[in-house]
Amino acid sequence: DIQMTQSPSSLSASVGDSVTITCRASQNILKFLHWYQVTPGKAPKLLVYTTSNLQTGVPPRFSGSGSGTQYTLTVNSLQPEDFATYYCQQSYSTPITFGGGTRVEVK
Amino acid sequence: EGQLVESGGVLVQPGRSLRLSCAASGFTFDDYAIHWVRQTPGKGLEWVAGISRNSVEIAYADSVKGRFTTYRDNVNNSLFLQMNRLGPEDTALYYCVKGRVAAVANGLDIWGHGTMVVVSS
Repeated sequence: DIQMTQSPSSLSASVGDSVTITCRASQNILKFLHWYQVTPGKAPKLLVYTTSNLQTGVPPRFSGSGSGTQYTLTVNSLQPEDFATYYCQQSYSTPITFGGGTRVEVK
Repeated sequence: EGQLVESGGVLVQPGRSLRLSCAASGFTFDDYAIHWVRQTPGKGLEWVAGISRNSVEIAYADSVKGRFTTYRDNVNNSLFLQMNRLGPEDTALYYCVKGRVAAVANGLDIWGHGTMVVVSS
């Protein structure tokens, strides 16, 4: 199985800050990497698919990049609604696996 | 945009069985893979199972293989998860999720609101 390691596990930031979350795969996943936002009480939301493609309706302050085993999600100019937990997910092979999550908290 | 509504979650004793259901609407159900993903209280997301558009490809997480079975009814736009030999580690909020494409291995773009399963004596 492919292991997905996210870092940091949590971070503190203020509205207007930029943050970057990293996801490392245990093997090359050929950009089959997706990012989700989870907010308490709401269904998880797909933000970015296949490394860098923004899902319809997601604001352009979110962006993804990476290749091989290293991938990043960047959120520019954090908004109040962006304080949430973010997960990466690989779909290079089954079983599909998620990272452990990164909680973005208010500083 | 599509919608997925899960049902069937309850409090159940260890060792018992349970079947979850998912009703889909608002998209062409038999064009896409559908998945089950669970979230345990205070922990992260865990993919449980996925089934391709025509049920040719079905895959499971190692933690449920041999105990859980997923199947779909493309006539009635429904997905099911039969869970046997349940244990406390299966306690979670179970989401029904639409895949972005027909095959199992891809991103997940429409999520239901989940149904809660609690396994406890």
